[in-house]
Amino acid sequence: DAGVTQSPTHLIKTRGQHVTLRCSPISGHKSVSWYQQVLGQGPQFIFQYYEKEERGRGNFPDRFSARQFPNYSSELNVNALLLGDSALYLCASSAVQTSVVTDTQYFGPGTRLTVL
Amino acid sequence: ILNVEQSPQSLHVQEGDSTNFTCSFPSSNFYALHWYRWETAKSPEALFVMTLNGDEKKKGRISATLNTKEGYSYLYIKGSQPEDSATYLCAFSHGQNFVFGPGTRLSVLP
Repeated sequence: DAGVTQSPTHLIKTRGQHVTLRCSPISGHKSVSWYQQVLGQGPQFIFQYYEKEERGRGNFPDRFSARQFPNYSSELNVNALLLGDSALYLCASSAVQTSVVTDTQYFGPGTRLTVL
Repeated sequence: ILNVEQSPQSLHVQEGDSTNFTCSFPSSNFYALHWYRWETAKSPEALFVMTLNGDEKKKGRISATLNTKEGYSYLYIKGSQPEDSATYLCAFSHGQNFVFGPGTRLSVLP
């Protein structure tokens, strides 16, 4: 079975631009979470979606938004990019057999975003 | 702001040594504690999800314990091998949010 896939792999943008990152979960997984990882730190939780509804949101500004589609894939959008948005963006999916917070999350390879 | 701490920050051991790391988290509103292994240029890989105080989990040479009352979890690696070299992350989940620690970077020297 294919794992979690993310696109693009790398992305270079300039300040003020908009970016859309995409994630396809493992087949059968209904929950997708997004994380931002800056070098030297652990991943920071941005959003969790389950059955196309937002179930959790981290401490990120409104410039960050996301959505989940009927096929459970997801997009993360970031508006008005800042230099500090440069990071690795990770997507994780889970099957939610028991709970959105206790089920194992499976991570994708990430999208490396560089903002110049 | 919830804080998850991990120690040590980095660790160098010889092949065959056993080692352990600590993850400290808030003891209130606990739902679950996750451990991940993250090798360079790969995706984070789930090791354990622990939910009950006193939980002990084992996967090959790696094991973990959980103390939710005092807010800590230990990860043990017995007989470290070079392929164990990675960053080990813990994540505390409460409600619908996940908080990761900064990780412990393990290097196993042959």
